[in-house]
Amino acid sequence: EDQVTQSPEALRLQEGESSSLNCSYTVSGLRGLFWYRQDPGKGPEFLFTLYSAGEEKEKERLKATLTKKESFLHITAPKPEDSATYLCAVQSTGNQFYFGTGTSLTVIP
Amino acid sequence: NAGVTQTPKFQVLKTGQSMTLQCAQDMNHEYMSWYRQDPGMGLRLIHYSVGAGITDQGEVPNGYNVSRSTTEDFPLRLLSAAPSQTSVYFCASSYRFNSRVNNEQFFGPGTRLTVL
Repeated sequence: EDQVTQSPEALRLQEGESSSLNCSYTVSGLRGLFWYRQDPGKGPEFLFTLYSAGEEKEKERLKATLTKKESFLHITAPKPEDSATYLCAVQSTGNQFYFGTGTSLTVIP
Repeated sequence: NAGVTQTPKFQVLKTGQSMTLQCAQDMNHEYMSWYRQDPGMGLRLIHYSVGAGITDQGEVPNGYNVSRSTTEDFPLRLLSAAPSQTSVYFCASSYRFNSRVNNEQFFGPGTRLTVL
């Protein structure tokens, strides 16, 4: 069964305290793994797509990496404006997308 | 580009009523989809479309119908609303669906639906 599991459910960091979010997945044929940011009351906002094990992508304080079983979203020296829920999703070769339940990140000034 | 637009933003229905949630995109995207988001459940795919005239079921299709007569529009119909359909509904689209580029989805702002 295709599924995505994210951990931790919630994470509180001090401003500047780096950490990583985890997304583990099982899918029958991976077409892509996606990271999104979601602010309260809004739709998810696209961050990254990863396609192959070993691939890495960076954007400002965020860096996403991919292995055959999991992906990490590394947050370096986070700021309060990075507070949001981060969602991971996978696309199977059957054209369906499966989302995890997200990690709620709070960055304290 | 307006991106992905959804109407209405909020809706309250009584059990048994029917309604249509509207979704439109102006980016000439091939793939469109509908999700519902419930606390602790994450986003779950209801229906999707890979082009005009082509639709398919996702993970939780029961109680919902879709059609795609144009590239731009992908309405979601609730046939007979039930309290279990209380949720936030998101429409999304992507330029491609079966390639390894341009297949990221862009989401609308959501419709918050309450069924009494």
